[in-house]
Amino acid sequence: GAVVSQHPSRVICKSGTSVKIECRSLDFQATTMFWYRQFPKKSLMLMATSNEGSKATYEQGVEKDKFLINHASLTLSTLTVTSAHPEDSSFYICSAMKAGTVIDTQYFGPGTRLTVL
Amino acid sequence: GQQLNQSPQSMFIQEGEDVSMNCTSSSIFNTWLWYKQDPGEGPVLLIALYKAGELTSNGRLTAQFGITRKDSFLNISASIPSDVGIYFCAGPAAGTASKLTFGTGTRLQVTL
Repeated sequence: GAVVSQHPSRVICKSGTSVKIECRSLDFQATTMFWYRQFPKKSLMLMATSNEGSKATYEQGVEKDKFLINHASLTLSTLTVTSAHPEDSSFYICSAMKAGTVIDTQYFGPGTRLTVL
Repeated sequence: GQQLNQSPQSMFIQEGEDVSMNCTSSSIFNTWLWYKQDPGEGPVLLIALYKAGELTSNGRLTAQFGITRKDSFLNISASIPSDVGIYFCAGPAAGTASKLTFGTGTRLQVTL
């Protein structure tokens, strides 16, 4: 089956620092990856769509300068939370979609829990 | 924007009981997906539905695509402790083929 990994699984950082989260598709090529944010006991909210070789598209209300996304290869997308603040603490989940497939072939990573002190 | 409301929000059931939950939308969906999320993990796809009226099973799970295309239902038969988790419905966001909109979730707790 398709496997998506995220690194790190947990990170604690000081307010004002930047944090990078990696999302990798381990056994397939993903032209499109998605980044979601999930607050405790809440649903997943799509933050941005990451396309290999092009700029990410952000959902309304998501600051692109704060959440930098890079999709440099068909198996790797990174999300950098810049100048993190306590309100950025959340569970960040990525998903990867196989090239040329439909919506039900979106595979999710295990998530990264970010805590900003 | 689109909203997917799930009911119930949470439920406590005893092992062996059957479970029913639903998902309703203010707009029509052409695809319904049901996911399960274990604590501290990403969601895993359980069932995908593509056609109004469709009934699809995956082991003890059965899901239905409502004929109005504005709702979907998930049933779990003979629940077991590992069924604990959050169940989300999801569908393609308006005007897109790949972005997902997730429902509000149903948290399931199974007691022995």
